[in-house]
Amino acid sequence: NAGVTQTPKFQVLKTGQSMTLQCAQDMNHNSMYWYRQDPGMGLRLIYYSASEGTTDKGEVPNGYNVSRLNKREFSLRLESAAPSQTSVYFCASSESVGYIMNTEAFFGQGTRLTVV
Amino acid sequence: AQKITQTQPGMFVQEKEAVTLDCTYDTSDPSYGLFWYKQPSSGEMIFLIYQGSYDQQNATEGRYSLNFQKARKSANLVISASQLGDSAMYFCAMSDFNNDMRFGAGTRLTVKP
Repeated sequence: NAGVTQTPKFQVLKTGQSMTLQCAQDMNHNSMYWYRQDPGMGLRLIYYSASEGTTDKGEVPNGYNVSRLNKREFSLRLESAAPSQTSVYFCASSESVGYIMNTEAFFGQGTRLTVV
Repeated sequence: AQKITQTQPGMFVQEKEAVTLDCTYDTSDPSYGLFWYKQPSSGEMIFLIYQGSYDQQNATEGRYSLNFQKARKSANLVISASQLGDSAMYFCAMSDFNNDMRFGAGTRLTVKP
């Protein structure tokens, strides 16, 4: 009964390095999301995937790319990390009826990323 | 674009009393969903309550209720009989026709013994 699994849980990168954050859900949900949360702030949407095969930009997509590998997996890639990308990253998934979410999103435990 | 506003950065409440956390939203879509989440200091996101835009009655889940005023575009969370364990960040969120979900800035609730 894993729900939403994110890897890694912690990561330190040097400026300019690249990395991919992995996310997998086992609830057969259509929609998946990537958020970032800076200290003392709310969650800001980076990218989302309303269904397998589609991805869309959220509020803060610059510096990130995503891949919806299959229905279960949604990865977030930082091509050239910058200190401004130091944050906690959350992946989430949800079910929907048509184009509307009618149930809650389930969240992973988060990835704490530090870029030095 | 949709917008969620939480105007109370911090709130204090006495244990066993009720507290209302404010949330206003803005969308042009008639179909949308409203959510409240709790984030304790440990960092996980805990779902509390959901309200659909076409729901006729206010949602309730145990000690949580959502005061939904559609014309005013507000979706306030009411916590009754506050407990020390309710101390946390609370986030309001909305999903509309894009099927994305966006969050407000949050309210930090502190319950005093």
